[in-house]
Amino acid sequence: DAKTTQPTSMDCAEGRAANLPCNHSTISGNEYVYWYRQIHSQGPQYIIHGLKNNETNEMASLIITEDRKSSTLILPHATLRDTAVYYCIVRVGGSSNTGKLIFGQGTTLQVKP
Amino acid sequence: DAGVTQSPTHLIKTRGQQVTLRCSPKSGHDTVSWYQQALGQGPQFIFQYYEEEERQRGNFPDRFSGHQFPNYSSELNVNALLLGDSALYLCASSLPPGAEAFFGQGTRLTVV
Repeated sequence: DAKTTQPTSMDCAEGRAANLPCNHSTISGNEYVYWYRQIHSQGPQYIIHGLKNNETNEMASLIITEDRKSSTLILPHATLRDTAVYYCIVRVGGSSNTGKLIFGQGTTLQVKP
Repeated sequence: DAGVTQSPTHLIKTRGQQVTLRCSPKSGHDTVSWYQQALGQGPQFIFQYYEEEERQRGNFPDRFSGHQFPNYSSELNVNALLLGDSALYLCASSLPPGAEAFFGQGTRLTVV
């Protein structure tokens, strides 16, 4: 699975959009980008995933660049409850997906009032 | 739906002892994975169980073993505990193995 690079920490004002970047320059054609977050003392929570098209669900939007070497997770209206560590993970999808998740250090997002 | 449940939530053991952690997957999920999360680090994959067999294993010694029961619940066993085994142990379930994983709240193990 390809390696990802994320900033160590970011701040965001409550009510504003939080944009979390992730670099995955060695991503392969059959690898998906997944985002999880972990609120303090809880288990990681799945947010969203995508292959090459932009994706949106009730929690967030995922923007993947055309060359797929980087992506951005967007929380449209951040709240204090969005304060967490956000993990960007790249892994093989489809029938070759073994389910193993390789977590890096993630980005600690601090949402401030 | 209760989601993924783990027991106990907290545990204190003495170095050299053995410990068993338990996990009940989300309803309908047949695959269980275990992760170890040291303080300040991201979770590290220990192993995955599917159809009552260990399907994948991370870089952990044989002191770490597991089991999956016919009802898909799972146990993680750690023998000869070391101080360095102190961590949050997370269980995740999915259906099928490569689908989105749902995590439990974890078991906080402290080895003294």
